[in-house]
Order: sequence, then C-alpha cells, then structure tokens
Amino acid sequence: EAEVAQSPRYKITEKSQAVAFWCDPISGHATLYWYRQILGQGPELLVQFQDESVVDDSQLPKDRFSAERLKGVDSTLKIQPAELGDSAMYLCASSSLGQTGTGELFFGEGSRLTVL
Amino acid sequence: AQSVTQLGSHVSVSEGALVLLRCNYSSSVPPYLFWYVQYPNQGLQLLLKYTSAATLVKGINGFEAEFKKSETSFHLTKPSAHMSDAAEYFCAVSEAGGYQKVTFGTGTKLQVIP
Repeated sequence: EAEVAQSPRYKITEKSQAVAFWCDPISGHATLYWYRQILGQGPELLVQFQDESVVDDSQLPKDRFSAERLKGVDSTLKIQPAELGDSAMYLCASSSLGQTGTGELFFGEGSRLTVL
Repeated sequence: AQSVTQLGSHVSVSEGALVLLRCNYSSSVPPYLFWYVQYPNQGLQLLLKYTSAATLVKGINGFEAEFKKSETSFHLTKPSAHMSDAAEYFCAVSEAGGYQKVTFGTGTKLQVIP
C-alpha cells in the first residue's frame, strides 16, 4: 500500500539551530501539503504545492521557514533558526485530486520537533 | 473564508454507547466536508467525506455523518462505541474551485470507558 514517507520521526534541537524535514508523497500525487500541529490543536496549513509551485503559503512564517518541491515530487521544509514555539508535529500530506476540492488527504506519520 | 468549529474538546462514552461528535462549518460556497481520525503519534486517516452526493455518509469502522445545510452541521456518529475508537477526531472543510485548501477544526478527543 502506497504511503507518504516522512523523516525524521523525531528531532530534538536547541533554539537558534537549523532543522529540516523531508516528505515523499504518494507517487503521482500532484498536491502536497505541510501542516503544523501543536499539541492539543488541529493541523494548521503552512504551505501547499501543486506540482512544483507554491499555491498557498499565507501562514508560513517566511522569516524563518522555507519549503521547496523542486521536481514536483518530494519536498523539504526548513526552519532556521528554530525557536521554542516551533515545538510541534509537522505533518506532510498529499492528494491526487487537489484541484477538485474533493480529494482525500493522505498523511505521513509526522515529524515531531522539540526545541530546547 | 472557510472554517469548522468542533464543540467539545473531550468526549467520554461508555463502551457500547452512542458516539456523537459535533462539527459546524462556515463556508461561502457549497463545502466539501471530511472527518479524520488520529491515533497517538500518527498522522491523520480519513473516516468519511461529503462531496455533495448523499447527505448521509457512511465511513469506515461503523462511523457515519449527516450533512445538514440548514444547520451548517456535519456531526459524526457511531451507534456503539468500541475501545478501539479511542482517538482524536478532526472535522475538516474544503471548497470547490481553485486549489483544494483543507481547513481543520481543533479536534475532539474521544475516551471510551470500559
């Protein structure tokens, strides 16, 4: 069964350090999402890609966060420098029907970040 | 702008009892609505979705939800709770047109008491 792969599963870092998360969506899925989920809250969209293009990054803190999907396949989310408030689960999801609005999002297991 | 509101961050039911998790949505156009489930330290998994066909939607694990336009609601129900249903449940909304932006609610943690 096809899955969304994410790494690392867990990351502990000190504030002001750089961190990076990687996501490999299900093959053929054109739409890729990065969500941040703070403990006890719902997922919040950080950035959405359609193929290699960013279609929504309105909630991405661009002074410290960056995301890319260079060949329209896998994606990297980077934080530099990390702050204490960045501690959260970072979820990647993909969809094959992103342009219709009806598509199921397939999620990876997430990357849990702890900033000390 | 689209949004969802989930009433009750925690719900406790006895094993075998009815499960009712509430979700109200706000959307400027006809919405698509989803329920996802999340087990500890895992990603989210789709339970069911409403995409303007039948208003009563059946999903996996015996869950179902009814779309009520007049009440702007999409409540999730299950007739008889099982211990394995203990998890966090998220209601989500997206809108037709443009790229699919999916907005999630704050979640309801379901506890099942033996």
